[in-house]
Amino acid sequence: EIVMTQSPVTLSVSPGERATLSCRASQSVSSDLAWYQQRPGQAPRLLIYATYTRASGIPARFSGSGSGTEFTLTISSLQSEDSAIYYCQQYNNRPPVTFGQGTRLEIK
Amino acid sequence: QVQLVESGGGVVQPGGSLRLSCVGTGFSFTRFGIHWVRQAPGRGQEWVAVVGDDGAAQVYADSVKGRFIVSRDNSRDTVYLHMASLATEDTAIYYCARELRHDNWLFDLWGQGTPVTVSS
Repeated sequence: EIVMTQSPVTLSVSPGERATLSCRASQSVSSDLAWYQQRPGQAPRLLIYATYTRASGIPARFSGSGSGTEFTLTISSLQSEDSAIYYCQQYNNRPPVTFGQGTRLEIK
Repeated sequence: QVQLVESGGGVVQPGGSLRLSCVGTGFSFTRFGIHWVRQAPGRGQEWVAVVGDDGAAQVYADSVKGRFIVSRDNSRDTVYLHMASLATEDTAIYYCARELRHDNWLFDLWGQGTPVTVSS
């Protein structure tokens, strides 16, 4: 089973600034990496898949990068509604697919 | 409206059983594999099981293998998760989720979740 590790655990950023979230896989997942956003009390929402492809309806200020074992989600021009927990997921080696433990993004 | 709606969660004693349901609306339900993913309190997501679009194939996480059964009734646009021999570590919110594409195991549509609490 591939272990996904996210950092930092919590990130606090001011509105209008950029947030950078990291995800590391215990072994290569090629480009089969997705990011989800989960706001309080809501279901997860797919943001990015295949490392950098935005899901339908996701604004361009969300971008993904990386390959192999190191991945990054960047959110530019932060807005208040971006306050959420962000999870990465690998779907290269399955079953099972595995998720990171999440990064909590707080907007100051 | 394109959505998945779970139901059937509740409080159950250790060793007990529960059946969860997931109804899909607003899309062609029979085209998609449906997964169950759970989230224990204060933790990230854990993949649980998948049933293929025609119901013929099922795959389970090791943690639930032999205790949980996933099935579907496409005439009712519904997927079920039958859970038996429940333990306290099964306490979680259970989500059903739709695959973005056939057999790619990432999820573009999630339900709101149904909570399961295993406690004496």
